[in-house]
Formats: sequence, structure tokens, C-alpha cells
Amino acid sequence: QSALTQPRSVSGSPGQSVAISCTGTSSDVGGSNYVSWYQQYPDKAPKLMIYDVNKRPSGVPDRFSGHKSGNTASLTISGLQAEDEADYYCCSNAGSHTLVFGGGTKLTVL
Amino acid sequence: EVQLVQSGGGLIQPGESLRLSCAASGFIVRSKYMSWVRQAPGKGLEWVSVIYSDGSTYYGDPVKGRFTISRDNSKNTLYLQMSSLRAEDTAVYYCAGRDVGDYPYFDFWGQGTLVTVSS
Repeated sequence: QSALTQPRSVSGSPGQSVAISCTGTSSDVGGSNYVSWYQQYPDKAPKLMIYDVNKRPSGVPDRFSGHKSGNTASLTISGLQAEDEADYYCCSNAGSHTLVFGGGTKLTVL
Repeated sequence: EVQLVQSGGGLIQPGESLRLSCAASGFIVRSKYMSWVRQAPGKGLEWVSVIYSDGSTYYGDPVKGRFTISRDNSKNTLYLQMSSLRAEDTAVYYCAGRDVGDYPYFDFWGQGTLVTVSS
């Protein structure tokens, strides 16, 4: 159950778009549509932003979108806003009823 | 409104045991897919364990055989019994639950509770 691979940090200016990648294997990301993304502010609990690869829970802005190709999933945030500055984690089903998270990506809004 | 209120964290010595609780309101624990997720200081999220609505349970390799997830339906509370604790178990532990269906997503989270394993 090795953690999924995410870039440690990404940055963008307000109004721009950024993408965060999440690379796994055929045993997790590549073999599952149960890929999700969470947003976490410092010292706060995570918040679900994307599930089923590309679905948004009620209340999540449509600026957030998800995609998957092969063993890599991605989260794209368009029209960056200052409030988007946070840590982002991907998560995937990893077989045998287990889950695996990515190492996390710190998004900085310049 | 759904609330998951956690308790039971603290400082504990290596090798000892500790039980974490996650009391739910506005949310019926016995019918939900619920997990424990932990986060070591300054580190990322790590999935720990899950209990399905049918009561089946599963664990991550680092805690298998040492941790037990359970629920008390009468108290609408989720538990994590941790034994043979190690320094590497030091983390903030979150309980988390799925709103509808046994799918591996977490709509609701507890506030987190810090467990520190140190002599």
C-alpha cells in the first residue's frame, strides 16, 4: 500500500488554472473508478471535493474538476481564488477493501 | 446537521493501549460506511481502517492485528481500539463517514484527536 504520488507543491495566480496529478498503479488508480480528492486547510479536517473520478458533491464549485487517464488521476482548479490555497489529497480504492491516499500537494495562490 | 465528535486521544507510552471514540449525531453509524484516517505531524493522510454497513471490517497493513474498528449501535458511536502502540502511530486520528452507500468517500469528518506515543 504505497502512497499515491503527487507533486509536493503547485502554484498559480488568481484567475489561472492549475492541475494536480496523482499517479498510482493498475492496482489502485488505474484499476478503480473510486478516485476522490480532498481539500484540507491547516489544522482542519479534510473536505471531499471530487468523487468517482470526476463528480462534485453538492456545494463544491464547478471550478473544480477531475479526470483520469491510465494510472494517473488529476484535479484541475480553474479561475483560482485565494481561498483555494490549501493542501489537496487524492485517494483511491486499492483492492481488498483498502484505500490509499496520495502524499498531498500544497497549492499556493500567488 | 451531521456532527461527528471525537474523544479519547492523549499521550501514551509505547506498547500500551488506547480507545478512540467518534459519537455521531444526525447520522446513523450502524448503516454507514465509516473509516479512521490518521495524519502524522506535518505529514499526509493515511487510511487506517473501515467498517461497512454490514459490519465487515478491514485494515491497513501498518495497523493490522493491533487496531480494531467497531461500533456501538445503541450509542451511535464508532470506536478504534489501538493496542501495542508504537511511536510511528503518533498522529491526529480522524473518523470519517459516507452519507449514502458503501462507497469509499467521506462526506463527514470528525474534528480529529491527537494521539502521541512516547515514553
